[in-house]
Amino acid sequence: AQSVTQLDSQVPVFEEAPVELRCNYSSSVSVYLFWYVQYPNQGLQLLLKYLSGSTLVKGINGFEAEFNKSQTSFHLRKPSVHISDTAEYFCAVSRFDSWGKLQFGAGTQVVVTP
Amino acid sequence: DAGVIQSPRHEVTEMGQEVTLRCKPISGHNSLFWYRQTMMRGLELLIYFNNNVPIDDSGMPEDRFSAKMPNASFSTLKIQPSEPRDSAVYFCASQEGELFFGEGSRLTVL
Repeated sequence: AQSVTQLDSQVPVFEEAPVELRCNYSSSVSVYLFWYVQYPNQGLQLLLKYLSGSTLVKGINGFEAEFNKSQTSFHLRKPSVHISDTAEYFCAVSRFDSWGKLQFGAGTQVVVTP
Repeated sequence: DAGVIQSPRHEVTEMGQEVTLRCKPISGHNSLFWYRQTMMRGLELLIYFNNNVPIDDSGMPEDRFSAKMPNASFSTLKIQPSEPRDSAVYFCASQEGELFFGEGSRLTVL
C-alpha cells in the first residue's frame, strides 16, 4: 500500500514570493508521483507528474517539483506566485501498473495575498 | 472536447432518498474513475472501470453504493438509501495517460 503526507495544511504567501509545498510518500513498490491543483468549486487539474528519468519535473503555470528517492519526497515549488495561484494543491501517488488509482495527500491550501 | 461532464452539479436530498450521479467521460478514454472528497477523509477512490468493466470496487463504502457503466460514454453512481454521512463532492475522471476530472457533484443529504 502507498501513503502520502503533505506536511503543511495551509501556506500563506505574498504575491511574487516563492512557495514550496512539501510532500512525502511511502510505498513498498515503485510509484508514479503527481501534483494536482483544485480551484474553488472545480475539479482537479494535473500540474505535473514524475514517471521516470530526470528528477526535476516542470509543469504548467511555472510550477516544478523534484523527486528525491532517498528521502521519499516530491516537493512542489514556484519561484514567484500570483494571486491566481490561490488554490488547494494535492500530492498523489500511484503504482506503476495502475495510473488512475491515486492515493492522495490531505491537501495544502495556498493563500496568496498582495 | 468538452471534458468530463458530471450531473447534477449540486443535489440536496433527504435521508433515505435514492441519489443518482451521472458522468460522461471524454470520448475515446477507456478508463473511468469515481472519487469522493470529504473534509474528514479527503479524496478517496470508490471504483474504476476499464472498457466499461468494473475492475476495482474495493473503495465503495457499503452496499448502499453501486456504480454502472452501460457503455463507453456514460456511467452512474447510485446511493440507495442515502444517509447524511454520504454528503460529499463526488468526482468522475476519465483517463488517457493522465486523469481528467469533471467538476464534481456536490451532494448534501439532510
